[in-house]
Amino acid sequence: DSGVTQTPKHLITATGQRVTLRCSPRSGDLSVYWYQQSLDQGLQFLIQYYNGEERAKGNILERFSAQQFPDLHSELNLSSLELGDSALYFCASSVSPLAGGPGETQYFGPGTRLLVL
Amino acid sequence: GENVEQHPSTLSVQEGDSAVIKCTYSDSASNYFPWYKQELGKGPQLIIDIRSNVGEKKDQRIAVTLNKTAKHFSLHITETQPEDSAVYFCAASLGVSSNDMRFGAGTRLTVKP
Repeated sequence: DSGVTQTPKHLITATGQRVTLRCSPRSGDLSVYWYQQSLDQGLQFLIQYYNGEERAKGNILERFSAQQFPDLHSELNLSSLELGDSALYFCASSVSPLAGGPGETQYFGPGTRLLVL
Repeated sequence: GENVEQHPSTLSVQEGDSAVIKCTYSDSASNYFPWYKQELGKGPQLIIDIRSNVGEKKDQRIAVTLNKTAKHFSLHITETQPEDSAVYFCAASLGVSSNDMRFGAGTRLTVKP
């Protein structure tokens, strides 16, 4: 168990709908990362938050957005869903991205499996 | 930006044999190289990592080697067991203030009993 929790575990919805995925990082971790993993695909970085502020953006669609709250949990919002958005969505956390410091281990949650019908 | 390539994409071995997965990276400034194991229906789990000031690291049956000159690093699993069957991902990180971890495409390892 990595200490990162994600809810819900499974989500089934229809095209055009909007869903919210939730992530709680490990105790003490300030950074949260969101990744998308489509069938038989690698991990595609979506977005990173550090202590409530957006730190980096990857291949995140404009229909997707995220935020990190004062208690450090994060939510990923997916709107106007399309069939192609069906995927596993992972949240990861790390202690903090120290400027100029060494790379940090990211600890992954169990994921949310999203199915868009 | 950093680009990580991973080979092979699939690997099948007999129980007890060794398995080797290789990754190359493009940015010579990368300094942190973790390996993750992902079992079916679960999130990636860190199994071993290595930093650029070390050439090799071992943890029981798992070892990782790093060649900074050639910009490649490898995962070695000895005495493989059926429970080693999973998808393995390598990653490389520059270690700056924003996310800079790039993942390889993954290797599906099957250990046949």
